Amino acid sequence: QKEVEQDPGPLSVPEGAIVSLNCTYSNSAFQYFMWYRQYSRKGPELLMYTYSSGNKEDGRFTAQVDKSSKYISLFIRDSQPSDSATYLCALTNTGNQFYFGTGTSLTVIP
Amino acid sequence: GAVVSQHPSWVICKSGTSVKIECRSLDFQATTMFWYRQFPKQSLMLMATSNEGSKATYEQGVEKDKFLINHASLTLSTLTVTSAHPEDSSFYICSGAFRTQGETQYFGPGTRLLVL
Repeated sequence: QKEVEQDPGPLSVPEGAIVSLNCTYSNSAFQYFMWYRQYSRKGPELLMYTYSSGNKEDGRFTAQVDKSSKYISLFIRDSQPSDSATYLCALTNTGNQFYFGTGTSLTVIP
Repeated sequence: GAVVSQHPSWVICKSGTSVKIECRSLDFQATTMFWYRQFPKQSLMLMATSNEGSKATYEQGVEKDKFLINHASLTLSTLTVTSAHPEDSSFYICSGAFRTQGETQYFGPGTRLLVL
């Protein structure tokens, strides 16, 4: 079983839609959870960082962590064409070893 | 957020030559740096992890004599692709990790390598 599972998509939504991106994981020891956005031919950009369970909001982005279900989510409200990118979840326990999802490709259609 | 730079952003070289890629953390000290490789439309593939002042730890299947990593300081790591061949053509991305309230890593913009 993979440490982290992420639906690769692709996901296509109309502009203004609410987008839900998800990852599941198997190791209950993970404590730090991240979401990265990667545009084509660019390095990943850190979007959200969460420690332990709960929600975190930053503008149009909300990250949720449910440790009991081993499930993390990223919600994008009022999606924009500029949100079109690949979104990667990442998890770590110690900061020495990170586990990445395979990435979900998102296209927001104007 | 923390900034990581990479140089060069892209490079074309002849087969058999060596290429050095620099990764710098500009506004933080990276206790650990990672090097990744990414093929088109594929996810990140971790190549090696390095801590400042110690030898890099390579992932299984990555040739340490071919991909030389030096983490000389808390702000600089280099990846040298020795005797590059066309199959080494790829997108190489570094990242730096540091501990503030917790653990995260910040990525550089990537270096595109084309070996002819």
